[in-house]
Formats: sequence, C-alpha cells, structure tokens
Amino acid sequence: GESVGLHLPTLSVQEGDNSIINCAYSNSASDYFIWYKQESGKGPQFIIDIRSNMDKRQGQRVTVLLNKTVKHLSLQIAATQPGDSAVYFCAEIPPNTGNQFYFGTGTSLTVIP
Amino acid sequence: ETGVTQTPRHLVMGMTNKKSLKCEQHLGHNAMYWYKQSAKKPLELMFVYNFKEQTENNSVPSRFSPECPNSSHLFLHLHTLQPEDSALYLCASSPWSSGGEETQYFGPGTRLLVL
Repeated sequence: GESVGLHLPTLSVQEGDNSIINCAYSNSASDYFIWYKQESGKGPQFIIDIRSNMDKRQGQRVTVLLNKTVKHLSLQIAATQPGDSAVYFCAEIPPNTGNQFYFGTGTSLTVIP
Repeated sequence: ETGVTQTPRHLVMGMTNKKSLKCEQHLGHNAMYWYKQSAKKPLELMFVYNFKEQTENNSVPSRFSPECPNSSHLFLHLHTLQPEDSALYLCASSPWSSGGEETQYFGPGTRLLVL
C-alpha cells in the first residue's frame, strides 16, 4: 500500500513566526494532494490542496509547495497564531484508485504565545 | 462546520453490546466513507460508498457492518467489538467523478471506547 510520512512528529513555533510542515509521499503517480488540520476533539478540516500540474498554491496565510522530483510536499503557515495549534496531515491521492486517500501520521504543531 | 454530522459524539460499549454510529452529510455529495483513527497511526479507510453502493471494504472484520440507505446517510453497525476497536471513527463525504480525486470533507467523529 501507499505510505505517506512526515519528517517531524512535533513542531513548536513562536507566535508570529512562520511554520513549515513537511511531508514525503511514496507514489510518483499521485496527482492530487491535500493538507488537513485536526484540532483536538474535531475531525480533519480541509486546508488547501494542490494538483500535480502545479508547484505552488497559496491560500489565506498558507502555501503548499510540491516537489515532484523528490516526492515532497510542504505546508507553510505565515504569522503562526495560537489557533493554528493542531495536528496537520497530508494526503496523497493516486489516480484511478476510487478516490482513495493515503494519509500520514501527522505533525503536531504547537504555537507558543 | 463542514456539513458532515456524526452521532453520537462519544460512545462507551461493552463487548457484547450492539450499537450504531450515524453520519449525515448536507453537501449534496454522492460518496461517503468510514475511517478509523487510532493514536499515532494514519487514518485507516474502512468502507467507501458511491451512490449508495459499497465500492470498497478494506478487509474490515465483520463485527463492523456499514449501511448506506441513501447518498446523505451512512451508518456503521457495531456488534461484539473488542477493546482494540476503541478509536475515533470518522465519516467523510465527497463528490464523485469517474476519475476520482475529489476532496473529502470530514465529520467531527465518534469517540468509541469498548470495555
């Protein structure tokens, strides 16, 4: 099966700093990727997605970068706020798998006020 | 709110009990999913339904029985569970296209404890 790994299980940043969360994916054929945020006691919440025909996509305070050469995905959060404290998951979706998502274990982000 | 609701939010049951988890989506989606989330493990896909038809069963034990009466509702019937089945059970929904690759939207989950 697929495996999606995160380089660091935990990350602590100061409020106001930028955060970078990394993800390595395994299937070079995967052509759709999503970042989710999961706060304590809640389900995963969609943050941003990117398709393989793009290298970068920006949202509100978040940017996703995709490097297909090394099968690496990153999520950048600008001006991190206490409300950003959560577990962040990346998911890769290979084509023709019936929309099966393959998730990593997640990175726990803690924002220090 | 994501438009996907789950009830109950918390459930404690004995190994001989029968209970059901309910999921409802208000997004007009055609695909619904059950996932199991255990501590320090990736989300595990359990079942997939498209247009009420089950299209995926990821080797889930028969003590978990899904039911999808329509595209908006999904149930997970639980019977004679084991303590290792204690986890957060997440429901998700998505649009469905022939090529797949549609964003899935998750509910808040049901926290299940099996004693």
